[in-house]
Amino acid sequence: EPEVTQTPSHQVTQMGQEVILRCVPISNHLYFYWYRQILGQKVEFLVSFYNNEISEKSEIFDDQFSVERPDGSNFTLKIRSTKLEDSAMYFCASSATSRETQYFGPGTRLLVL
Amino acid sequence: DAKTTQPTSMDCAEGRAANLPCNHSTISGNEYVYWYRQIHSQGPQYIIHGLKNNETNEMASLIITEDRKSSTLILPHATLRDTAVYYCIVKGQAGTALIFGKGTTLSVSS
Repeated sequence: EPEVTQTPSHQVTQMGQEVILRCVPISNHLYFYWYRQILGQKVEFLVSFYNNEISEKSEIFDDQFSVERPDGSNFTLKIRSTKLEDSAMYFCASSATSRETQYFGPGTRLLVL
Repeated sequence: DAKTTQPTSMDCAEGRAANLPCNHSTISGNEYVYWYRQIHSQGPQYIIHGLKNNETNEMASLIITEDRKSSTLILPHATLRDTAVYYCIVKGQAGTALIFGKGTTLSVSS
């Protein structure tokens, strides 16, 4: 069964450093998403991406964040200058269309020190 | 998207049916009810979704009331591996975001 994969599974970084989280969506899916979950809190939507453009974003997704599909398979989330409060699990998801089911990856645990 | 209300926690004995309720009284006509679960800190796992009719798949059944203001997720024979947080999410066709609440923590015990 096709799966969304994410790398790395864990990332530790220093405050102020840039991080790039990577995702490989399910191969025939066209919509891609990032969500995050701070420890003990709800899963929060960050951004959706379609046809090389952001289609929707939340208030959390400020100028420190960017997304990209650098090639035909990867979908990345970049945090330019990490803050302590960026420490969270980051989940990638994909769906065939905007109306169809979103399937989530296993997540990347980001720890900012 | 309509807001949902779920109990904070529920217990279930292994082998018994787990019935997880969800209220979505402000749901509109074109909004779907989705159920996901999250085991520990893993990625949310899709379970099932429906619009009006009851739905069943290999994981669960979804019963939606006729007025669509509430629904119940049924795990017919719960196992210890079904211990997780279960999220009921209402999603329209216009937006792309899934809005997660706090969900129901289901504890299955032997």
